[in-house]
Amino acid sequence: AQSVTQPDIHITVSEGASLELRCNYSYGATPYLFWYVQSPGQGLQLLLKYFSGDTLVQGIKGFEAEFKRSQSSFNLRKPSVHWSDAAEYFCAVGMEYGNKLVFGAGTILRVKS
Amino acid sequence: GAVVSQHPSRVICKSGTSVKIECRSLDFQATTMFWYRQFPKQSLMLMATSNEGSKATYEQGVEKDKFLINHASLTLSTLTVTSAHPEDSSFYICSAREGAGYTFGSGTRLTVV
Repeated sequence: AQSVTQPDIHITVSEGASLELRCNYSYGATPYLFWYVQSPGQGLQLLLKYFSGDTLVQGIKGFEAEFKRSQSSFNLRKPSVHWSDAAEYFCAVGMEYGNKLVFGAGTILRVKS
Repeated sequence: GAVVSQHPSRVICKSGTSVKIECRSLDFQATTMFWYRQFPKQSLMLMATSNEGSKATYEQGVEKDKFLINHASLTLSTLTVTSAHPEDSSFYICSAREGAGYTFGSGTRLTVV
């Protein structure tokens, strides 16, 4: 069965510093990959997604992610974090087109000024 | 972009009563919708997949008689928590599939007292 691992439960970065959130998946084929952000008590907002093609994906709010097949990873990055980026971030994997998603445990990002 | 409206955002009910949560796709037709449950400080766990005009597919361990899902139209899916108990208190989020993407509702905080 497919699984998603986000090894960091909490990450704290200074405002203006760079950010990388890790995501590893377990699946035999190339999955459909997503990053979502959730503010407390809110739904999920899509940051970016990867289906095929260029392995470096640009998303909203200045985020990007890189798919590395050899490492089964899809890490999320941002060169300069803003205080408003503080939230919880979820990596998700879909096996097939339009099929259900499996979510990682999430990473809570704290931004210190 | 695609919008999914979820209501209510918060609901408090007495133990033993039933609660209905609605999920509507506002500007697209959603043949498939997903219902997730999220416990505090945890990830999203898929409860069931609902397909318009057919029975929902429940994940292992989810009581189908307790969590009734109806997807009677291409724009509306409902989740009814029957005979709710305090342990059903949670954050419930719906998601609608649009093409290969997924749009999430804003979630419903259910508190059973």
